[in-house]
Amino acid sequence: AQSVTQPDIHITVSEGASLELRCNYSYGATPYLFWYVQSPGQGLQLLLKYFSGDTLVQGIKGFEAEFKRSQSSFNLRKPSVHWSDAAEYFCAVGARNDYKLSFGAGTTVTVRA
Amino acid sequence: GAGVSQTPSNKVTEKGKYVELRCDPISGHTALYWYRQSLGQGPEFLIYFQGTGAADDSGLPNDRFFAVRPEGSVSTLKIQRTERGDSAVYLCASSLTLGEQYFGPGTRLTVT
Repeated sequence: AQSVTQPDIHITVSEGASLELRCNYSYGATPYLFWYVQSPGQGLQLLLKYFSGDTLVQGIKGFEAEFKRSQSSFNLRKPSVHWSDAAEYFCAVGARNDYKLSFGAGTTVTVRA
Repeated sequence: GAGVSQTPSNKVTEKGKYVELRCDPISGHTALYWYRQSLGQGPEFLIYFQGTGAADDSGLPNDRFFAVRPEGSVSTLKIQRTERGDSAVYLCASSLTLGEQYFGPGTRLTVT
């Protein structure tokens, strides 16, 4: 079974600064990988996904993530954070022969002015 | 187009009562999923439907939980004899293809 670890529970970043959120997964083969964002009172919104091919994937809202097989990681990055990026971010992994996703516990991002 | 909708948005019930939570998926999406999100945690898989049938119900915690999707569209998650530990946000998602799931806003269930 697959699992996901998000080591950082909470990150505070200044507006305009760069952001990196860590995600490590455990799975025996090449997984499907996702980052979702959840704003207060909102549903989960898909930021980006990795299925195959180029290991650097671009998403919405200026986010990108890089799949590193050797490190079992899929870290999320944004070069310059906006106040509206304050939210909770979830990394998820799916098996290629299965539909269900396994989520990490999430990282809460606070943006200070 | 319309996204996944869930009703009610909030539900407060007493311990021991029966509740039903409804999910309307995106039109045309054949796959439908239920997840449960407890405070401070990520969503946990409960059950997955492909069409009308439950393809995987391995995440249902016990036999008090049951879900149906009789016409392959709307789904209802049913919880019998609710317990305080059932309090959580119940999320529904739908998808057309493998992997890319679209989530609804969730139903916050509080059992008192």
